[in-house]
Amino acid sequence: LAKTTQPISMDSYEGQEVNITCSHNNIATNDYITWYQQFPSQGPRFIIQGYKTKVTNEVASLFIPADRKSSTLSLPRVSLSDTAVYYCLVGDPPGGSYIPTFGRGTSLIVHP
Amino acid sequence: DADVTQTPRNRITKTGKRIMLECSQTKGHDRMYWYRQDPGLGLQLIYYSFDVKDINKGEISDGYSVSRQAQAKFSLSLESAIPNQTALYFCATSDAPNNEQFFGPGTRLTVL
Repeated sequence: LAKTTQPISMDSYEGQEVNITCSHNNIATNDYITWYQQFPSQGPRFIIQGYKTKVTNEVASLFIPADRKSSTLSLPRVSLSDTAVYYCLVGDPPGGSYIPTFGRGTSLIVHP
Repeated sequence: DADVTQTPRNRITKTGKRIMLECSQTKGHDRMYWYRQDPGLGLQLIYYSFDVKDINKGEISDGYSVSRQAQAKFSLSLESAIPNQTALYFCATSDAPNNEQFFGPGTRLTVL
């Protein structure tokens, strides 16, 4: 299972773009990168998933360089409601034995 | 109605008591999971089940047991609760192909 490393915490201000980087040096060929968001006292919810290059949806963008040893979750123009913990997961979701493993995540605090 | 429900939402119990936490889902997913979360920490996997006849231990299964009564139901039991099992417990489901996880609202368990 690929190990991930991400910052423990980050601070930002309303209206700024936030980039959270996740390192996964031993990512396997079939592995995808998935990000979840968790608000206090709630279960995590899926944000975005990608395999290579760039993926964008209505919530975020995910940038994955060619070597796939890291990835960056980008949140455009954050608001106070984006204050949450963000988890980076690496694994082979379509594979039969995929088991989602959450680390400690990155605690993002957005200030007024 | 919520797709993944957990009962009870809050429970206070005493050391040595047997406790059962229940999870039900209406998403029709085969895969179900139980996680615990301690304050300021990520989610730790307790048990998971890929279908009704499949039960697997996760990272921290000691002191816990599970039952998969049907595709829609996955229960977690603490045979003899102890104070360090005080935590927030989440149930989740997922299904092929991308195995996006859907979490329940959580059960806050306090063991005195």
